[in-house]
Amino acid sequence: QSVLTQPPSASETPGQTVTISCSGSSSSIGSNYVYWYQQLPGAAPKLLIYRNDQRPAGVPDRFSGSKSGTSASLAISGLRSEDEADYYCAAWDDSLTGPVIGTGTKVTVL
Amino acid sequence: EVQLLESGGGLVQPGGSLRLSCAASGFTFRSYAMSWVRQAPGKGLEWASSISGNGGSTFYADSVKGRFTISRDNSKNTIYLQMNSLRVEDTAVYYCAKEAFGDYLSDYWGQGIQVTVSS
Repeated sequence: QSVLTQPPSASETPGQTVTISCSGSSSSIGSNYVYWYQQLPGAAPKLLIYRNDQRPAGVPDRFSGSKSGTSASLAISGLRSEDEADYYCAAWDDSLTGPVIGTGTKVTVL
Repeated sequence: EVQLLESGGGLVQPGGSLRLSCAASGFTFRSYAMSWVRQAPGKGLEWASSISGNGGSTFYADSVKGRFTISRDNSKNTIYLQMNSLRVEDTAVYYCAKEAFGDYLSDYWGQGIQVTVSS
């Protein structure tokens, strides 16, 4: 049921910036807030960004989110080895009447 | 501190049933919607079901609609997922998740519970 499309992988060297895209529709990202989650290997997902660009307490400001139209992006600056993880976007979808979660992007720190 | 603890997982044969529970603490339970999200082996996250704070509204993914039922007991701070007519493709880690800000998207997740459907 996932209708949020992400690139399967992204990679960059330490200290650089990696940006992950999330493409949706007018009924999902176009009409609702976007959330971003980080899932480390073997762990439960952790909230990174809520309401498009807000960081929960404790999340470093190296993580930033943005939204434009029916797409959103997550940027990770000053990349570190501990940022190696899977990243997912999510949003409510008015047509499906439920949350939709992106296909996921595996970030590798080279 | 928000805590979500899933239980009830295990091995079940195709066509069988299982009931998952998620005990919550550390927040005003009745004020928040709750969800179940699953992750098949080596795959991404898939939303399965959500329930409003008072239990009056429920939502299901097409993949589980008609087979799974979500419910909650606000006196016990617990949500449930009754899973019937289980299929091999329901094999996954099931996460319980708490709503963040009134839009059914989540801020806290449990550690997950394994459900395996196999003969």
